[in-house]
Amino acid sequence: RKEVEQDPGPFNVPEGATVAFNCTYSNSASQSFFWYRQDCRKEPKLLMSVYSSGNEDGRFTAQLNRASQYISLLIRDSKLSDSATYLCVVNIPGGFKTIFGAGTRLFVKA
Amino acid sequence: SQTIHQWPATLVQPVGSPLSLECTVEGTSNPNLYWYRQAAGRGLQLLFYSVGIGQISSEVPQNLSASRPQDRQFILSSKKLLLSDSGFYLCAWSVTGPNEKLFFGSGTQLSVL
Repeated sequence: RKEVEQDPGPFNVPEGATVAFNCTYSNSASQSFFWYRQDCRKEPKLLMSVYSSGNEDGRFTAQLNRASQYISLLIRDSKLSDSATYLCVVNIPGGFKTIFGAGTRLFVKA
Repeated sequence: SQTIHQWPATLVQPVGSPLSLECTVEGTSNPNLYWYRQAAGRGLQLLFYSVGIGQISSEVPQNLSASRPQDRQFILSSKKLLLSDSGFYLCAWSVTGPNEKLFFGSGTQLSVL
């Protein structure tokens, strides 16, 4: 089983749609969690951290379920500019273990 | 504010040639430094990380090596490139803490022909 698993997609959605990405992790000792965004041929950029209480940043909402070892990202009112690959990232304490998921590809179409 | 510089942006090298990619970080001291590789359409693979000058940990045994000659400088090298070394190479930095986040350089697209 992979340490961090994501649905690779692609997700094809119209502008204005709501889309949700899921991510599961295997190590129960995982300590911190993030979503990154990566555009084609560009570096990954931090989108948001994920907290147990859930957190929101504009149209983006991230949630963490430690019991199920599950992370989600919800994008509301999708824009064309949201088209990118979204990477789920998990930190495991004790040794610089930052694990990246393979990413979920999103296409938002007019 | 902190910035990370990585160069060159693109590189085309023949098989068997040497490689040197450089990364520098500004605006922070004693950062953790990382080299990742991303093959086309694939996820990020951690190659090396460093917690200080001269301290390098290798995650994947391969044809590459890394060095950290200065606190904020990280170099990825190879003596003889292989076709399989082609990919998108990313340098990153972080500061150790309970909510450690990585920040990436703009990457180097390496094509070995």
